Amino acid sequence: AQSVTQLDSQVPVFEEAPVELRCNYSSSVSVYLFWYVQYPNQGLQLLLKYLSGSTLVKGINGFEAEFNKSQTSFHLRKPSVHISDTAEYFCAVSDLANNDMRFGAGTRLTVKP
Amino acid sequence: DTGVSQDPRHKITKRGQNVTFRCDPISEHNRLYWYRQTLGQGPEFLTYFQNEAQLEKSRLLSDRFSAERPKGSFSTLEIQRTEQGDSAMYLCASSYTLPRDGNYNEQFFGPGTRLTVL
Repeated sequence: AQSVTQLDSQVPVFEEAPVELRCNYSSSVSVYLFWYVQYPNQGLQLLLKYLSGSTLVKGINGFEAEFNKSQTSFHLRKPSVHISDTAEYFCAVSDLANNDMRFGAGTRLTVKP
Repeated sequence: DTGVSQDPRHKITKRGQNVTFRCDPISEHNRLYWYRQTLGQGPEFLTYFQNEAQLEKSRLLSDRFSAERPKGSFSTLEIQRTEQGDSAMYLCASSYTLPRDGNYNEQFFGPGTRLTVL
């Protein structure tokens, strides 16, 4: 079965600074990779996904992530964050049938003015 | 609003009571998932339905938990004899997925039901 490790539980950053949220995965089969964002008292919203093809994936709200198969990583980046990016971010992996999605423990991004 | 909806949004109950949550998926989505999210953790898969058939259940789903999707549309998740450890956010998601389809089909998540067991 696949698993996900998010290396940072909390990431504080100042507004307009760049940010990277780290994610490593483990799987014996080919997988899909995802980043979700969760705002307080809300469900999960898909930021971006890697299915196949280009290893650099662009998502909503200016976020991007790079799939690195040799390092089994899928780090999320944004060159300049806003206060409104403050939220919980989850990395997830699923098998190709997408019926067993495993999430990381989450990274709380706090953007300070 | 045509997204996934869940009811209630919040539920406070006393230990030992039974609770039932409802999830209404996006119309025509044939696959429905339940997840549990405890404080400080990511969502954990509980079970999923393809139409009305419950195809997979996590070992997290103890015998006090039961989920149904009788007509292949909305689903209910019941917890009997609640325990304080059941306190969590219960998330529902839906997707349109063909059987044995190896293509990606996005799961759309509802807002969740937050359960507090006193």
